Amino acid sequence: AQSVAQPEDQVNVAEGNPLTVKCTYSVSGNPYLFWYVQYPNRGLQFLLKYITGDNLVKGSYGFEAEFNKSQTSFHLKKPSALVSDSALYFCAVREGGFKTIFGAGTRLFVKA
Amino acid sequence: DVKVTQSSRYLVKRTGEKVFLECVQDMDHENMFWYRQDPGLGLRLIYFSYDVKMKEKGDIPEGYSVSREKKERFSLILESASTNQTSMYLCASSSYSGQVQMEKLFFGSGTQLSVL
Repeated sequence: AQSVAQPEDQVNVAEGNPLTVKCTYSVSGNPYLFWYVQYPNRGLQFLLKYITGDNLVKGSYGFEAEFNKSQTSFHLKKPSALVSDSALYFCAVREGGFKTIFGAGTRLFVKA
Repeated sequence: DVKVTQSSRYLVKRTGEKVFLECVQDMDHENMFWYRQDPGLGLRLIYFSYDVKMKEKGDIPEGYSVSREKKERFSLILESASTNQTSMYLCASSSYSGQVQMEKLFFGSGTQLSVL
């Protein structure tokens, strides 16, 4: 069965510093990987996805993610964090079909 | 702009009540989903629908049912609400492009349900 792990409940980073939010996955076939962000009192918004091709995927708001098949990871990154990036981030995987499985979420705090 | 609308932002119900959560999308999407979000557990899929009148169980369907009589509307029903169903409920939709697994989900703002 497919699964997603986000090993950190919370990530703290200073504004202007690079940030990384970690994600590992487990699927039996080819993974389709997603990152979503949830701002306070809002639904989830799509950030980026990996389907196939280049292992470095660029998405919204300056975020990018690196797909690493050997480590089964899909870490979210940003070169320079903003206070406005503070939110709850979810990694998700879809192996095929309709079901998208989400991780538990990582809360990002960016301090000014 | 794409929109998924959930009828209530906050809802308070009593144990044993029948509860209806409504979701409407204006994107003509074929697929609709109901998730619940709990701290530390992420999002868990309750039910989904890939066409009108079609429904499939997700990972945690017990205690819930759904209805999809029209393409744009997907309802989640709690037949007899219990306190362990207190949660944030998120509706989502996606389109079918022939390679459905590639499509992202569009989410509503959520309904925070409290069962007392």
